[in-house]
Amino acid sequence: AQTVTQSQPEMSVQEAETVTLSCTYDTSESDYYLFWYKQPPSRQMILVIRQEAYKQQNATENRFSVNFQKAAKSFSLKISDSQLGDAAMYFCAYRTNTNAGKSTFGDGTTLTVKP
Amino acid sequence: NAGVTQTPKFQVLKTGQSMTLQCAQDMNHEYMSWYRQDPGMGLRLIHYSVGAGITDQGEVPNGYNVSRSTTEDFPLRLLSAAPSQTSVYFCASQRGANYGYTFGSGTRLTVV
Repeated sequence: AQTVTQSQPEMSVQEAETVTLSCTYDTSESDYYLFWYKQPPSRQMILVIRQEAYKQQNATENRFSVNFQKAAKSFSLKISDSQLGDAAMYFCAYRTNTNAGKSTFGDGTTLTVKP
Repeated sequence: NAGVTQTPKFQVLKTGQSMTLQCAQDMNHEYMSWYRQDPGMGLRLIHYSVGAGITDQGEVPNGYNVSRSTTEDFPLRLLSAAPSQTSVYFCASQRGANYGYTFGSGTRLTVV
């Protein structure tokens, strides 16, 4: 069974600084997708960024980027120039191409942004 | 606005009662899923569907039923509510395997 582990239950960052959230996963598949979702206090889940396993290039979306290390099964999220609005719980998620209806989520990391 | 609509947003049930959580999407997504989120935990998959007429169980299906008669709708039925089903429930849809989810706003369910 695939598992997703987020080893940092809580993280904090100073406004305008950079923070990295960790995620590791366990799989025997070669074709899969990885995602980061943000859940602010409003409870709404929002897609932040996604990565295809077959792509070596790390995905980037504005201030958000990932460090995808396929051999190490690691998928960390870097937030640059942190803003107060980045404060939220962040979830890492994994999905295979052969079972696209199912995603496995980590337990989340709560990010606090200090002004 | 296009998206995933969940109703109700809040619900209190008594043990043994049944109810249906509604979920509808207007993006013509083939894939739809139901998750529950408990405090301090990530999302756990209850049931999912890869198209109209096709459903399958997720990680925690016991006590829940689903059906998918149309592409748009994917209701979740609680057969006989138990306190262990107190949780926040999310419906989500996706266009395909390599696309992220679009989530509904969630339903906070309390079973007393």
